[in-house]
Amino acid sequence: AQSVAQPEDQVNVAEGNPLTVKCTYSVSGNPYLFWYVQYPNRGLQFLLKYITGDNLVKGSYGFEAEFNKSQTSFHLKKPSALVSDSALYFCAVSLPAYSGAGSYQLTFGKGTKLSVIP
Amino acid sequence: DSGVTQTPKHLITATGQRVTLRCSPRSGDLSVYWYQQSLDQGLQFLIQYYNGEERAKGNILERFSAQQFPDLHSELNLSSLELGDSALYFCASSGPGDWETQYFGPGTRLLVL
Repeated sequence: AQSVAQPEDQVNVAEGNPLTVKCTYSVSGNPYLFWYVQYPNRGLQFLLKYITGDNLVKGSYGFEAEFNKSQTSFHLKKPSALVSDSALYFCAVSLPAYSGAGSYQLTFGKGTKLSVIP
Repeated sequence: DSGVTQTPKHLITATGQRVTLRCSPRSGDLSVYWYQQSLDQGLQFLIQYYNGEERAKGNILERFSAQQFPDLHSELNLSSLELGDSALYFCASSGPGDWETQYFGPGTRLLVL
């Protein structure tokens, strides 16, 4: 069975400082890894994904994430936080049985609330 | 805006009742996924449909069922509702060229009283 851990329920960072939201995963095989963001009373917005290739992936709104296979981690980062980045962030993993129009059901972490302080 | 629409936005009902949640995927997407988000269970995958057929099943209760119609919209039916079914229900869709990325709708907030 696959699982995702987000060890911090809340992360506080000052505006303009770099931010990191941590994620580790447990899965057999080669996972697909994702970050989503949820603003209050909104659905989840896709930020970025890692499928294969370069371990550093860039996504929307200046976010990036680093895949580390040996540490089974996929931490989300941003060089300079904005107040508007304050939201709930979810890390997710899927382990498709095959490529193409298969099943990519997501297993989510519990979420990390990011608060960027002005 | 992801392009995925869900109706209704809010639903208040009583225990024992049955409700239907509706989802329209992004134009061109063939896969629809349903998820439940609750405070105690977090975000959980319920079920996936691909081009009208059930493709994968997750932690979906027997009281819940879903289907995908020829126009590709999907409905999630919840019956014999219990207090614990109160949650936010999301659908997501994916399609050709980017099957692995799911785009989520705004959700339906269900409150069972």
